[in-house]
Amino acid sequence: EAQVTQNPRYLITVTGKKLTVTCSQNMNHEYMSWYRQDPGLGLRQIYYSMNVEVTDKGDVPEGYKVSRKEKRNFPLILESPSPNQTSLYFCASSFNGKNIQYFGAGTRLSVL
Amino acid sequence: QKEVEQNSGPLSVPEGAIASLNCTYSDRGSQSFFWYRQYSGKSPELIMFIYSNGDKEDGRFTAQLNKASQYVSLLIRDSQPSDSATYLCAAPTNAGGTSYGKLTFGQGTILTVHP
Repeated sequence: EAQVTQNPRYLITVTGKKLTVTCSQNMNHEYMSWYRQDPGLGLRQIYYSMNVEVTDKGDVPEGYKVSRKEKRNFPLILESPSPNQTSLYFCASSFNGKNIQYFGAGTRLSVL
Repeated sequence: QKEVEQNSGPLSVPEGAIASLNCTYSDRGSQSFFWYRQYSGKSPELIMFIYSNGDKEDGRFTAQLNKASQYVSLLIRDSQPSDSATYLCAAPTNAGGTSYGKLTFGQGTILTVHP
């Protein structure tokens, strides 16, 4: 089954404790993205990757890191989480040049 | 001005009516436009995309694109309670002409279809 898998689905952590949210897709997509969704602000792109070792900032990259060492994986790293990063996070992947995004189920993060 | 803007809603329509959702965009370089539906607590799912001026129909859904006026709309005919969801408009923006991967979403319009 074609899918985008995020883990964990729910995470509660404390300020400053490094965390990683994993994302994996099995559709051989070149493009992958991370979004955060907040009430009233919609979906905002954090980072995206056009291919292995090629990443670029989205609209809200501050406080986040990404890496793309393998085509299927695109982890999101919060080196020092802060409460303003409490949000619902979505990973997505897309075909080459099509921009039709397929979303993971989401990760709800709470930073205390 | 936001790069992609939707009428804020919420929008409430009776069952069987036509629901009209609108979106404007600021980047004239955007070439493709997407409508996603998101049920509460779920991830967005693509329902329509459109590249060319004019209308594109898929079942009860029609997407309309007017590049000169920089707006894209989604019409849902014969609305059903199961159509109640948040609808998100999206367009590639400021992507240096490549339109690869950088996607901007509107803030979403909440649609409620009441029996």
